[in-house]
Amino acid sequence: DVKVTQSSRYLVKRTGEKVFLECVQDMDHENMFWYRQDPGLGLRLIYFSYDVKMKEKGDIPEGYSVSREKKERFSLILESASTNQTSMYLCASSLRGSSYNSPLHFGNGTRLTVT
Amino acid sequence: AQSVSQHNHHVILSEAASLELGCNYSYGGTVNLFWYVQYPGQHLQLLLKYFSGDPLVKGIKGFEAEFIKSKFSFNLRKPSVQWSDTAEYFCAVNSGTYKYIFGTGTRLKVLA
Repeated sequence: DVKVTQSSRYLVKRTGEKVFLECVQDMDHENMFWYRQDPGLGLRLIYFSYDVKMKEKGDIPEGYSVSREKKERFSLILESASTNQTSMYLCASSLRGSSYNSPLHFGNGTRLTVT
Repeated sequence: AQSVSQHNHHVILSEAASLELGCNYSYGGTVNLFWYVQYPGQHLQLLLKYFSGDPLVKGIKGFEAEFIKSKFSFNLRKPSVQWSDTAEYFCAVNSGTYKYIFGTGTRLKVLA
């Protein structure tokens, strides 16, 4: 069974801090994603990576960056945390596939609070 | 732009009641359709998916969904819900790119 592991379940950070959210998957998936989940807004894509060192912006990339140095690891970075980045962050992975019909496998999420 | 609408934001049912959660999408081409469920304190997991073929798909835990292309809909159904079905349900659409569009979710509460 695919396992997507997010390093922290809960994080509390101060405004202006640099924040790293880590995600590791163990099934050799090519695609990895970072989503943000907010009540009433569903899941919104922040960044996507389809290969090592490759990344593409999602719908809400502002204030975030990502790093993928190894296939199994995808990091989300908040360069200078702000209170409006308080949210649940979900990492997901999937096989590449030819028509992107491979389902997403999610981690448990990191609930980040910025004070 | 593509979008996914889940019209029911909160649903409360008694055990054994039938369930139907609506999902409509806006995209005219070929789509891949998914329903995900998030139980309290757990990660999002796949309930069922539709890629092609029989428009009635069956998933885990007795759930099924019907793809009606003419209505751009992919409604989720279960004939008899259980207390353990209390969760948040998300419909998602993928149109052959990396981008999965999610609906805003429906919170289901089943009363014992």
